[in-house]
Amino acid sequence: QKEVEQNSGPLSVPEGAIASLNCTYSDRGSQSFFWYRQYSGKSPELIMSIYSNGDKEDGRFTAQLNKASQYVSLLIRDSQPSDSATYLCAVRGGSQGNLIFGKGTKLSVKP
Amino acid sequence: NAGVTQTPKFQVLKTGQSMTLQCAQDMNHNSMYWYRQDPGMGLRLIYYSASEGTTDKGEVPNGYNVSRLNKREFSLRLESAAPSQTSVYFCASRAGGPDEQYFGPGTRLTVT
Repeated sequence: QKEVEQNSGPLSVPEGAIASLNCTYSDRGSQSFFWYRQYSGKSPELIMSIYSNGDKEDGRFTAQLNKASQYVSLLIRDSQPSDSATYLCAVRGGSQGNLIFGKGTKLSVKP
Repeated sequence: NAGVTQTPKFQVLKTGQSMTLQCAQDMNHNSMYWYRQDPGMGLRLIYYSASEGTTDKGEVPNGYNVSRLNKREFSLRLESAAPSQTSVYFCASRAGGPDEQYFGPGTRLTVT
């Protein structure tokens, strides 16, 4: 059974700080990794995808992938209260493009 | 360009009733997915359709059926609803190449 693990949190950071969210996965052969943001009562929204080892930056967001250690992380710089949400890590789990989701980490950014 | 749309947004059913959740996408995507999301359980795949005319079971298919009506539409049917099917249901779609999936707004279903 392929699994994706996340700390459920809540993770609380002050406004302006760096929020660091982590995710580990069990399938060493996984090739595609995603971070989704989900506000309470809303649907998941794709914010980052990463396919290669290393860092990928998009504005205040940086995704980091380490395939040897089987973890992927998301850094949010200059955290804002509007970043308060649950962040879902997802990993491609099969040939049909199916995604396996972690249970999510709840982030709270305090003004 | 509406993306992925779902109807209805909310539904209350009595045990044993049936209903169909509708999903449509206007992004010309090949693959479509149905998930359910329960507190503490995360998103779990119910059924998916890799392309028009094909459907396959996901992690939690029992009690559900699906129809890929055409490239745009993918419906989820509950034949005899049970309280255990109380959940939020999300439809998603994916283009043929990239793996990114895009989600609809969800249907909140309560079975009493």
